[in-house]
Amino acid sequence: AQSVTQLDSQVPVFEEAPVELRCNYSSSVSVYLFWYVQYPNQGLQLLLKYLSGSTLVKGINGFEAEFNKSQTSFHLRKPSVHISDTAEYFCAVKGQAGTALIFGKGTTLSVSS
Amino acid sequence: GAVVSQHPSRVICKSGTSVKIECRSLDFQATTMFWYRQFPKQSLMLMATSNEGSKATYEQGVEKDKFLINHASLTLSTLTVTSAHPEDSSFYICSARDGKTGLDTEAFFGQGTRLTVV
Repeated sequence: AQSVTQLDSQVPVFEEAPVELRCNYSSSVSVYLFWYVQYPNQGLQLLLKYLSGSTLVKGINGFEAEFNKSQTSFHLRKPSVHISDTAEYFCAVKGQAGTALIFGKGTTLSVSS
Repeated sequence: GAVVSQHPSRVICKSGTSVKIECRSLDFQATTMFWYRQFPKQSLMLMATSNEGSKATYEQGVEKDKFLINHASLTLSTLTVTSAHPEDSSFYICSARDGKTGLDTEAFFGQGTRLTVV
């Protein structure tokens, strides 16, 4: 079985500052890792995913994440955030083909001017 | 990416009535669809997994008689909340996976349905 822990429930930052949202996972098998963003009363939008290969993954909206197998982490980063990045961010893990995504509890990113 | 359409986006119903939520894959065949429930300020909890043409597999603690799932075609799955009660009020989200084109690693999400039972 897989599980995901998002270490910060809320992350307040100022506009143009860098941000890191932390995610750790546990699994007994190889996994795929994802980051999604959710705006209020909307579905989920995929930011990026790690399937295999390069451990540094670049996604949309300037976000990137690094897969660290030894630390079982998949932290999300952005060098300079915008007000429009304010949203809920979910880290998710998936094991074998055909299985559902398992989500972390989410991190609320609040960007202020 | 592929598009999943979920309808309605919002619904208000009276206690004791049933509500049907539709989830459609618009440009791919969804061999597997997943239904999630999300409480305010919380994560998405998997309710059930449905494969086209077969019965849904429900997660532990989810009442299959209350949350009826039908996946009759490769592009449509429905979730019916039967005899709804105020505690069923929540945000329901579906996701679909294209298992035929090798894109099995990604699930595409609908826009969600905000259900309010009064």
